[in-house]
Amino acid sequence: GDSVTQMEGPVTLSEEAFLTINCTYTATGYPSLFWYVQYPGEGLQLLLKATKADDKGSNKGFEATYRKETTSFHLEKGSVQVSDSAVYFCALSVFTGANNLFFGTGTRLTVIP
Amino acid sequence: DAGVIQSPRHEVTEMGQEVTLRCKPISGHNSLFWYRQTMMRGLELLIYFNNNVPIDDSGMPEDRFSAKMPNASFSTLKIQPSEPRDSAVYFCASSLDRGRTEAFFGQGTRLTVV
Repeated sequence: GDSVTQMEGPVTLSEEAFLTINCTYTATGYPSLFWYVQYPGEGLQLLLKATKADDKGSNKGFEATYRKETTSFHLEKGSVQVSDSAVYFCALSVFTGANNLFFGTGTRLTVIP
Repeated sequence: DAGVIQSPRHEVTEMGQEVTLRCKPISGHNSLFWYRQTMMRGLELLIYFNNNVPIDDSGMPEDRFSAKMPNASFSTLKIQPSEPRDSAVYFCASSLDRGRTEAFFGQGTRLTVV
């Protein structure tokens, strides 16, 4: 079945460190891939997306590349800030007559000054 | 558009009482999802609708939970009777069903059952 596996947290980094959060997926057909971010006390917000192989999604300094050969969509940022502290969710969307969305378990990131 | 609107934002109720959570999806969206989020189990899909029809309710924990979508602009999630283990944040999300599109989330309802 369709599923997403993402890196277990929590992750703690110092400000300006490099961030990678791994995400791999299993899907029938051709999914779209997403990263969502959840700040404390809020709902999930779309951070970036990619809809086909080799697409790169980017937003707010974050990037992720849709790699079909490795079924991965790893999230990266070159220099994290304290304000990036949040929970990050990898997700995929497949269309099987209706739109369905599958989420990973989430990775909590804490950035310390 | 105001986005996905959920009400109430917070609900505290006594065990055994009926609880109804409400959701207004983004206008024009035709897929609607209900999720539950807890520290122990993370984000769980409870049910999703397409064009007001329930497509997959396999995530609904038990018969105490029921969800309806009487029209394209409104959905409810009801718990009757509520139990302390139902305490969680419940999210509603909607998406435009053009295939493989992202979902937009509401702010959530924090439910506490005492």
